[in-house]
Amino acid sequence: ETGVTQTPRHLVMGMTNKKSLKCEQHLGHNAMYWYKQSAKKPLELMFVYSLEERVENNSVPSRFSPECPNSSHLFLHLHTLQPEDSALYLCASSQEPGQGGQPQHFGDGTRLSIL
Amino acid sequence: GQNIDQPTEMTATEGAIVQINCTYQTSGFNGLFWYQQHAGEAPTFLSYNVLDGLEEKGRFSSFLSRSKGYSYLLLKELQMKDSASYLCAVSDSNYQLIWGAGTKLIIKP
Repeated sequence: ETGVTQTPRHLVMGMTNKKSLKCEQHLGHNAMYWYKQSAKKPLELMFVYSLEERVENNSVPSRFSPECPNSSHLFLHLHTLQPEDSALYLCASSQEPGQGGQPQHFGDGTRLSIL
Repeated sequence: GQNIDQPTEMTATEGAIVQINCTYQTSGFNGLFWYQQHAGEAPTFLSYNVLDGLEEKGRFSSFLSRSKGYSYLLLKELQMKDSASYLCAVSDSNYQLIWGAGTKLIIKP
C-alpha cells in the first residue's frame, strides 16, 4: 500500500470513447503528477499539479485533459485517443514539486488499451 | 538533450551480489533517485543521493559520482523477491525528474 490509489486498474476503450482515470492520495501531499509508462521506455511526465494549480504540461496532446479538484484527487479525462496511447498511466504525489530529495509516491497505475 | 542510460536487463543468482549502473547527462543536478518496480505494481522509492559517495540501506546501497555523471545500485544477498525493474531518475535544474528506461533484474535460483 503506497498511499496512492488509482482506478480503474485496467481500461479498454475504443478511439471514440470518453473515459476518465482517477487518482487519490492519502499522504497529505501538495503535489500530484501524471506519467505515461510504455514498455522499455522512460517514464514520461505529462502533468504536474501543486495545490490544485497546474504547474507543468509537457506538450501533451489535448485529447488528454487533467483535472485537480483538490490536493487529494487527480483525474485524467480521455477523449478520442489513438492506438499509440495504449500504455500504463501512473499517478504520483510528493510533498511539494521542486524540492530536492522529496521522493514521489506512485499508485499501481491504470493499464490502458485503445482498440 | 537530457539522457539517462542504464542496462536493459541483467541476470543474477540468488544469494549473490549485483550492481546496476546508471549514467546521466542532464541540465543541472539536484539529486539522483533509485526506484524498484515489480511487474504490474507501483514504482517504490529506494534511495536518494545528492552528494558523492555511498549510501547504505540494509541489503541495498547506492553510489554517486557527480563528476562522472554516474551512479550504481548495489544489491547484496539477492532474494527471489528482488526480481523487478530498477529505475534511475535524476532531478534536473528545474527539479523535474528525468527517468531512465529501467533495468529488468532477473534472479535465478
